[in-house]
Amino acid sequence: GENVEQHPSTLSVQEGDSAVIKCTYSDSASNYFPWYKQELGKRPQLIIDIRSNVGEKKDQRIAVTLNKTAKHFSLHITETQPEDSAVYFCAADSGNTPLVFGKGTRLSVIA
Amino acid sequence: DAGVIQSPRHEVTEMGQEVTLRCKPISGHDYLFWYRQTMMRGLELLIYFNNNVPIDDSGMPEDRFSAKMPNASFSTLKIQPSEPRDSAVYFCASSYGQISPRFGSGTRLTVV
Repeated sequence: GENVEQHPSTLSVQEGDSAVIKCTYSDSASNYFPWYKQELGKRPQLIIDIRSNVGEKKDQRIAVTLNKTAKHFSLHITETQPEDSAVYFCAADSGNTPLVFGKGTRLSVIA
Repeated sequence: DAGVIQSPRHEVTEMGQEVTLRCKPISGHDYLFWYRQTMMRGLELLIYFNNNVPIDDSGMPEDRFSAKMPNASFSTLKIQPSEPRDSAVYFCASSYGQISPRFGSGTRLTVV
């Protein structure tokens, strides 16, 4: 089955700097890759997603990139702000099975 | 929509007691998922339903765990008997198709 690895597990950045979180997946049939943000004590919420027919997608300060050949995808957050501090989860979905989540990255943005 | 609604938000129970967690999915969603979240293991899929039918319960840790979905608007996750190691946050999520599940607020379970 699908296996999703996520790195790093923790990340600290200065406010205004960029943050990058990387994930790899194992199932070449996976074609949908969402990212969820979970603030402390809250539910995971979808923030952006990308499908396998697209290499990059942007939404204001966040962007995702996908390299299907290498089976990896990344989340980029630019001009980080304290409210970006949260746990971020990547996931992969082949369409035949539910989403498989990475272990999460705890991002701390230091003011 | 009101989102996925879970109850209770917090549950504290003694070891050996039965615990029932409840979930109301988003109307029109045909998939319902139960997840457990712990620091050590992250988000684990316990079981999921499609059109009220359990599809895969391989994530259910033990026979002490059971889940039902008697209709499209209600599901329960039951633990009987509960043990301290069951302490975690349990999330219910629903989706139309299997992608982009939307999560409820979760139930924080503490078994003492």
